[in-house]
Amino acid sequence: EVQLVQSGPEVKKPGESLKISCKGSGYTFATYWIAWVRQMPGKGLEWMGIIYVGDSDIRYSPSFQGQVTISADKSISTAYLQWSSLKASDTAMYYCARNRYGSGSFFDFWGQGTLVTVSS
Amino acid sequence: QSVLTQPPSVSGAPGQRVSISCTGSSSNIGAGYDVHWYQQLPGTAPKLLIHGNNNRPSGVPDRFSGSKSGTSASLAITGLQAEDEADYFCQSSDTSLNGWVFGGGTKLTVL
Repeated sequence: EVQLVQSGPEVKKPGESLKISCKGSGYTFATYWIAWVRQMPGKGLEWMGIIYVGDSDIRYSPSFQGQVTISADKSISTAYLQWSSLKASDTAMYYCARNRYGSGSFFDFWGQGTLVTVSS
Repeated sequence: QSVLTQPPSVSGAPGQRVSISCTGSSSNIGAGYDVHWYQQLPGTAPKLLIHGNNNRPSGVPDRFSGSKSGTSASLAITGLQAEDEADYFCQSSDTSLNGWVFGGGTKLTVL
């Protein structure tokens, strides 16, 4: 069974750093792209960026380029999303999702989400 | 402001049929990219509902169907059930952004 399990909720202060994780199981993690998707409170889904775990090829959405860093460690089947200096506007639910190419390019499995709250 | 435009809400009575539209442009749906749909039940992660315009993953009831034409796509739900009450998002790829784009989401209320 394919599963993506994300790290737990975080409460941080503005200016602090943070790294959240997404661990895959049930498939060959290194042969798929993993995306990160933001959902701000009461809002829609926003694609942030994506990484091919096998060689760490990364693409960022222009809206998030320079704001976050995506990485992965294929030896432990885990992808990461990190911030060097959080802002209150980073408060959101963050999902990782496996990208699948078949009938188009879509996200077939999703993590349960990591809620990040940034407040002074 | 999402790249793909969806109505904020739709509603229908149990047993009825509802449709949710998703309008894009020449850089995404109109460029020939497939459209995919996700269902997000309250308090849960999105779940793939339709891929490749009208393909249902295993386990998704055939009450759900999709279509695409030109720069738009639609999700239809027939035989509406209370458990269908959720947010629905469309998704495609976009050449201008060189990435993936979502609609703003549509909240389905079952009356």
